[in-house]
Amino acid sequence: NAGVTQTPKFQVLKTGQSMTLQCAQDMNHNSMYWYRQDPGMGLRLIYYSASEGTTDKGEVPNGYNVSRLNKREFSLRLESAAPSQTSVYFCASSEWAGGSYEQYFGPGTRLTVT
Amino acid sequence: GESVGLHLPTLSVQEGDNSIINCAYSNSASDYFIWYKQESGKGPQFIIDIRSNMDKRQGQRVTVLLNKTVKHLSLQIAATQPGDSAVYFCAERVPSGAQKLVFGQGTRLTINP
Repeated sequence: NAGVTQTPKFQVLKTGQSMTLQCAQDMNHNSMYWYRQDPGMGLRLIYYSASEGTTDKGEVPNGYNVSRLNKREFSLRLESAAPSQTSVYFCASSEWAGGSYEQYFGPGTRLTVT
Repeated sequence: GESVGLHLPTLSVQEGDNSIINCAYSNSASDYFIWYKQESGKGPQFIIDIRSNMDKRQGQRVTVLLNKTVKHLSLQIAATQPGDSAVYFCAERVPSGAQKLVFGQGTRLTINP
């Protein structure tokens, strides 16, 4: 049981390049989330998916797109990377049912945009 | 707007002492609260949670206290150890229908030998 996995672990992009961050969970959770964490800051929600087939914007969605490929996988795409998107990106999943709202986090992807 | 804040961004304690990390939340309708620990280079890990119908909940060496009157949450760590050095986040669930948590800024806890 790997929990939440993310790929890649590290990535360097040039301004204007595109890339997709991958996330998968093996806990059969309904809900999945993408956060970004800037140095010395908390977690800011980019997008989330309450269930397979649905996605919703979070606090900072501009410059990103997401795809809930199936129940296990939730990807985050940067179409045209900007230096302001340099950050650590965390994916999380949650069952969000029965009074349990705990989110399980992946190890993160460290992205640098030059 | 919704926000969860912390009183102190950094906290230093002596090894073996008890630590208290505070969190203020703004939405009186929030019905669930959770504490996470984030070690350097890792993702946040669950520590303990509490529902709004409780005032206190205890785990292994940790206690969470909830004061709904003043909208305040605290995490107490007993007999702090070097491995407790990390950033601690609180988060709240606002029952708005959206399946998401609102996270606070975080407090960095440093343990002095």
